[in-house]
Amino acid sequence: KQEVTQIPAALSVPEGENLVLNCSFTDSAIYNLQWFRQDPGKGLTSLLLIQSSQREQTSGRLNASLDKSSGRSTLYIAASQPGDSATYLCAETSNTGNQFYFGTGTSLTVIP
Amino acid sequence: EAEVAQSPRYKITEKSQAVAFWCDPISGHATLYWYRQILGQGPELLVQFQDESVVDDSQLPKDRFSAERLKGVDSTLKIQPAELGDSAMYLCASSEPTGRGYTFGSGTRLTVV
Repeated sequence: KQEVTQIPAALSVPEGENLVLNCSFTDSAIYNLQWFRQDPGKGLTSLLLIQSSQREQTSGRLNASLDKSSGRSTLYIAASQPGDSATYLCAETSNTGNQFYFGTGTSLTVIP
Repeated sequence: EAEVAQSPRYKITEKSQAVAFWCDPISGHATLYWYRQILGQGPELLVQFQDESVVDDSQLPKDRFSAERLKGVDSTLKIQPAELGDSAMYLCASSEPTGRGYTFGSGTRLTVV
């Protein structure tokens, strides 16, 4: 079974700071890696998708990277804002199916 | 923008009662997924449908959980009898068979008391 780990479990930063969220995975046959945002009690919003042939993806203040050889992905958030406060989940799919394997998430709080 | 619809948004039920959740996927999406997310954890797949057929239900507790997608469109997930440990967010998602367009619904938050 694929395992996905996210560190740290919780992070609190002052507004304006740049920050990095970490995700590690054991699946050597990863198909793609996706980062999601989840607000309390809500569903999942897709942020960035990195296919296995790619190294990174960018959207606005967000940048996600993928290093298959080390089994790691990072989500970089620039100039954090209070509205960024949420739980961030990474998930991978293997090349054998469409199931997502999720990490346990990082709960981010951006302090005004 | 197309959405995956789920209802109800919230459900409180007593232990040993039956409970059901409904999901309407994005039109044209042949693949439908039910995930369970326990508080503080990531979602885990319960069942995956391709049209009306189950393609993966290895993580579905079949003694009390059932899922159907009779016409290959909308789907129902049922729990009978509910247990305290079933309290969780139940998320539905849909995609094209290749995985393209994978979209999650807003979920149903179940509390068993």
